[in-house]
Amino acid sequence: DARVTQTPRHKVTEMGQEVTMRCQPILGHNTVFWYRQTMMQGLELLAYFRNRAPLDDSGMPKDRFSAEMPDATLATLKIQPSEPRDSAVYFCASGLARGVDNGGRNSPLHFGNGTRLTVT
Amino acid sequence: AQSVTQPDIHITVSEGASLELRCNYSYGATPYLFWYVQSPGQGLQLLLKYFSGDTLVQGIKGFEAEFKRSQSSFNLRKPSVHWSDAAEYFCAVGGDYKLSFGAGTTVTVRA
Repeated sequence: DARVTQTPRHKVTEMGQEVTMRCQPILGHNTVFWYRQTMMQGLELLAYFRNRAPLDDSGMPKDRFSAEMPDATLATLKIQPSEPRDSAVYFCASGLARGVDNGGRNSPLHFGNGTRLTVT
Repeated sequence: AQSVTQPDIHITVSEGASLELRCNYSYGATPYLFWYVQSPGQGLQLLLKYFSGDTLVQGIKGFEAEFKRSQSSFNLRKPSVHWSDAAEYFCAVGGDYKLSFGAGTTVTVRA
């Protein structure tokens, strides 16, 4: 079964430290998302990429968060410096967006198991 | 703007009883609608989706959902709940993948 892989599963760090979360999307998927889940806010879209290019990162605090796709098999989400309010579960998801010429039906999103981040 | 409302934060149901989870959405065009399930410590797993066509959609694990445009609803149902169905359920709406998720409904199954 193809799956989205996220590392690390858990991360505990002190405020001010840099945190990097990694995601390996499903091979062949061209769209990658980063979501953050907290009790208070639920699931929030932080950023997403299509064919490695950022399409929307309006949900992401720009001063400390950055998201990249160095290649098609790796997406990263970095927080520098981290703050206690960043504590949350961060999910990566991937899918295959098909253009109109290919039927226009996107595949469903597949989610990784998340990175649980605790910033003390 | 798109949004999803799941009116029930928590539902408790007896094993073997039926389950219905409510979802209301707001979307400017014909919506793509989804139900996801999340078990503790896990990511979200797709239960079913609606793009177009038949308004009654069958999913995995015996779940189904019905799209009602007039009510802007996409309620999830299961005729007979199993203890393994205890989880959090999220309704989502969107197009081109930019999904908005509801706050989720936690389902507890009692023996």
